Amino acid sequence: DQQVKQNSPSLSVQEGRISILNCDYTNSMFDYFLWYKKYPAEGPTFLISISSIKDKNEDGRFTVFLNKSAKHLSLHIVPSQPGDSAVYFCSPAGGTSYGKLTFGQGTILTVHP
Amino acid sequence: KAGVTQTPRYLIKTRGQQVTLSCSPISGHRSVSWYQQTPGQGLQFLFEYFSETQRNKGNFPGRFSGRQFSNSRSEMNVSTLELGDSALYLCASSLVATTYGEKLFFGSGTQLSVL
Repeated sequence: DQQVKQNSPSLSVQEGRISILNCDYTNSMFDYFLWYKKYPAEGPTFLISISSIKDKNEDGRFTVFLNKSAKHLSLHIVPSQPGDSAVYFCSPAGGTSYGKLTFGQGTILTVHP
Repeated sequence: KAGVTQTPRYLIKTRGQQVTLSCSPISGHRSVSWYQQTPGQGLQFLFEYFSETQRNKGNFPGRFSGRQFSNSRSEMNVSTLELGDSALYLCASSLVATTYGEKLFFGSGTQLSVL
């Protein structure tokens, strides 16, 4: 059962513009949602998270929005930079998910100079 | 502070062999989890250990096993290797891996190729 879906396999944006990455989930019981970024041949690195009791969390250029009624979250990167080019994964957490992240298929973001 | 260290970085094995991968977590971290990344299946959770006890397990066959030592270092073992086991195996550590969105720190992984 796919608990998380990232329906856009790839996204291409121009440097300085906004990047919007989307994620849909199925289980309303999750307590947190996390975004990770991954470069090739490296492990994922934590980017930003949001608690299910909030609808927005901001950290510098990165903002995550949570729409619980639609079971949808999105990551906004403004302004986008070439160094942001990576694969982005979302994952829910909560319940007895000790150490377990259920990643979506990921979205490949390419930021062109 | 040193990050999560995985050894070896690359490994080539043949079908039917077994393999052991090692992970040293960040100092002070007690939770270690393992993930498999393949092009077709993406990143999938294998299992998680805390204080030498497996607390969580993903949907992998029994050929995949792991353990954690008293110093929090962890190993995972894959027996009777199959071609489909070729993947990047990632280890992640965290302080206690509570349910409250505690972030995981990943190593660079071990790239396993099964011929």
